[in-house]
Amino acid sequence: GDSVTQKQGQVTLSEDDFLFINCTYSTTTYPTLLWYVQYLGQGPQLLLKVTTANNKGISRGFEATYDKGTTSFHLQKASVQESDSAVYFCALVDSGTYQRFGTGTKLQVVP
Amino acid sequence: AQTIHQWPVAEIKAVGSPLSLGCTIKGKSSPNLYWYWQATGGTLQQLFYSITVGQVESVVQLNLSASRPKDDQFILSTEKLLLSHSGFYLCAWSGDWGGGQDTQYFGPGTRLLVL
Repeated sequence: GDSVTQKQGQVTLSEDDFLFINCTYSTTTYPTLLWYVQYLGQGPQLLLKVTTANNKGISRGFEATYDKGTTSFHLQKASVQESDSAVYFCALVDSGTYQRFGTGTKLQVVP
Repeated sequence: AQTIHQWPVAEIKAVGSPLSLGCTIKGKSSPNLYWYWQATGGTLQQLFYSITVGQVESVVQLNLSASRPKDDQFILSTEKLLLSHSGFYLCAWSGDWGGGQDTQYFGPGTRLLVL
């Protein structure tokens, strides 16, 4: 069946470091892929949505590219700030009403 | 602009007691509505979804039930809580099949502790 894999459970960076969070997926279709950010004690917020039509999403300095060849959807940011500390979830739109979430990557940015 | 409100913010309940959590969406007509559960430090698991008043589909039950009594309201409930029900409950909405169904917007959540 369909799956979403985030292997990095936690990432610790210093301010201005480059961020790269890994996400791979498995599906028989070309799904819509999303990145959510969840700050402590809050609900997740949609950060990026990428479809087969646009292949790349950019928002708030974050960028993700949809690579059908490697079935990956990695999240990048050139220079992280302490305010970026949060949990980042990759998700796959499995059907119109169902989203399959990865296990999340906790980002801690130290000043 | 659309707003989503969940109540209560947090609950501490005893095993075996009943539970009712609520969610209201304002500013969006006929949204799709969703309930999710998140264990502490865990991923999000969709529990139920509803595309119209009175119709709810179960994804993973976990001895919970859901109802949609009004277009803008979604209720999650159980008559007997288990320890395993502890966690963070999130309500979300999206557009319908013709209008942004793949983009879900989450509420602030309800934190539940079952003792």
